[in-house]
Amino acid sequence: EDKVVQSPLSLVVHEGDTVTLNCSYEVTNFRSLLWYKQEKKAPTFLFMLTSSGIEKKSGRLSSILDKKELFSILNITATQTGDSAVYLCAVSDNYGQNFVFGPGTRLSVLP
Amino acid sequence: DAGVTQSPTHLIKTRGQQVTLRCSPKSGHDTVSWYQQALGQGPQFIFQYYEEEERQRGNFPDRFSGHQFPNYSSELNVNALLLGDSALYLCASSSPTYGDSPLHFGNGTRLTVT
Repeated sequence: EDKVVQSPLSLVVHEGDTVTLNCSYEVTNFRSLLWYKQEKKAPTFLFMLTSSGIEKKSGRLSSILDKKELFSILNITATQTGDSAVYLCAVSDNYGQNFVFGPGTRLSVLP
Repeated sequence: DAGVTQSPTHLIKTRGQQVTLRCSPKSGHDTVSWYQQALGQGPQFIFQYYEEEERQRGNFPDRFSGHQFPNYSSELNVNALLLGDSALYLCASSSPTYGDSPLHFGNGTRLTVT
């Protein structure tokens, strides 16, 4: 059965800190890994990763995938209170449409 | 460009009742997936619709059923509601026709079963 594990489950930091969120997975015929940010209701898309070793960046956020070790990390530098959210990791199989989500990491950034 | 829209936003039902949730996909998207998100957990896949047919299904009982219309909008029906069905129900649309496509989520319907 496909599985996604995220760590830590909860994290409290102060503004300006750098955080690293972890996602490990087991999936038959891996196709892609996605990161989402969920503040209140709708998860919003951050990154889609399909190839190992290629870092994707968007402002202060970046992510990289290791398909050999079956994990991904999401880095947030110079955190702001607006980064407070649940960060979800999801993987899809070779069909690319059944996404399995992890439990999420709840990040709280204090002023 | 309208994103994914869901209705209603909140719903309170009694055990044993039936409920219908609605979703309109993002413009240009033809595939709709439904997820259940319990408090403090990640979304769990219920099923996916494409070309008006259920294409994939997660580990949910037959009480959960759906439909997709020719305009790509979709409904999720849940019969014989249980207390454990209380959750945020998320609809997501995508367009895999052109390759890998991330899911775009609506704001969800918060269902409370009493």
